[in-house]
Amino acid sequence: AQKITQTQPGMFVQEKEAVTLDCTYDTSDPSYGLFWYKQPSSGEMIFLIYQGSYDQQNATEGRYSLNFQKARKSANLVISASQLGDSAMYFCAMRGGGGGNKLTFGTGTQLKVEL
Amino acid sequence: DTAVSQTPKYLVTQMGNDKSIKCEQNLGHDTMYWYKQDSKKFLKIMFSYNNKELIINETVPNRFSPKSPDKAHLNLHINSLELGDSAVYFCASSQEPHRASGTEAFFGQGTRLTVV
Repeated sequence: AQKITQTQPGMFVQEKEAVTLDCTYDTSDPSYGLFWYKQPSSGEMIFLIYQGSYDQQNATEGRYSLNFQKARKSANLVISASQLGDSAMYFCAMRGGGGGNKLTFGTGTQLKVEL
Repeated sequence: DTAVSQTPKYLVTQMGNDKSIKCEQNLGHDTMYWYKQDSKKFLKIMFSYNNKELIINETVPNRFSPKSPDKAHLNLHINSLELGDSAVYFCASSQEPHRASGTEAFFGQGTRLTVV
């Protein structure tokens, strides 16, 4: 069965600094996709970035990059130049990996950006 | 133009009542989902439909019944509501239902259900 682990319940970062949110996953299936979602206090789920298991390069989307280390089964999210608006809950999720098309989520990391 | 819309946004109701949450997507996606987010913010799949056909039913009580009249709509009906049903319910949709990777799921804004 597939599993996503986020070991950081909460993180603090200063404005303009970079921050890494950890995510490890477990699956024996070679085909899967990894996603990061942001959930601000208003509650909506916002897609940030995607990495496919066969992708050779790490995904990047603006200030977001995904540090994909397949052998370690990790898919950490790096946010560069943090902004106050980045304060939110961040979820790592996996699709596929033997679980079909549903998303399996981690428990989330609450990020707080400080002045 | 909202991609995935669900109504209502807030729902407060008494134990024992029956309620429905509606969801519509205008993205042309084949697959729609219901997720439940509990008080600890944990998100878990409840149901998945592909072209009106039930694909995933993840050990959800029979009191929960999804209905998909067409591939753009997936409604959730809950009978005999219990205190433990209080949560945020998210509808989502995605394309490429037969590939493990592919595009992201788009989420509705969530329905906060409070059972009193």
